[in-house]
Amino acid sequence: NAGVTQTPKFQVLKTGQSMTLQCAQDMNHNSMYWYRQDPGMGLRLIYYSASEGTTDKGEVPNGYNVSRLNKREFSLRLESAAPSQTSVYFCASSTIGGTSTDTQYFGPGTRLTVL
Amino acid sequence: QKEVEQNSGPLSVPEGAIASLNCTYSDRGSQSFFWYRQYSGKSPELIMSIYSNGDKEDGRFTAQLNKASQYVSLLIRDSQPSDSATYLCAVIYAGNNRKLIWGLGTSLAVNP
Repeated sequence: NAGVTQTPKFQVLKTGQSMTLQCAQDMNHNSMYWYRQDPGMGLRLIYYSASEGTTDKGEVPNGYNVSRLNKREFSLRLESAAPSQTSVYFCASSTIGGTSTDTQYFGPGTRLTVL
Repeated sequence: QKEVEQNSGPLSVPEGAIASLNCTYSDRGSQSFFWYRQYSGKSPELIMSIYSNGDKEDGRFTAQLNKASQYVSLLIRDSQPSDSATYLCAVIYAGNNRKLIWGLGTSLAVNP
């Protein structure tokens, strides 16, 4: 039981390049989230998917797109990377019901640098 | 604007002492409350969740919720150097489609 996995762990891009961050969970959770974390800014929600087949914008969606590929996988795409997107990206998942309702479980993160 | 506020710290306590971390939130309609711990360079991990007024204990950790005063706190008894981390408070507001609103975190240093 791996929980939430993310790839890659580290990435360096040049301005204008594109890339996709991958996230998968094996906990049969319905909801998945993408956050970015910057010093002094805390965790900010980029996009989320409340259930398979749905996605919605969070606080800071500009410059990003997402795909909920199936119940397990939720990817984040940067179409044209900018230095302002240098950050640590976390994927998380949660479910409703039971003693851990709405508890979000996080992946290990992707450290992205855009030059 | 829904807000969750925490003192940024650093909060410094000696080993073996009680560390008290506080969090206030702006909306009385809040439903669920969470404390996460984040070590430097790592991802957040859940310590406690609390859904109703009162205290909830788990080992050395106690979460306290007071909805009338709109605060939630985390007490760490017998603090250890391994407790040194940033502690994040998160809240779910009613009608927010179950999204968490996060505080910026309190940095805790436990000194041997």
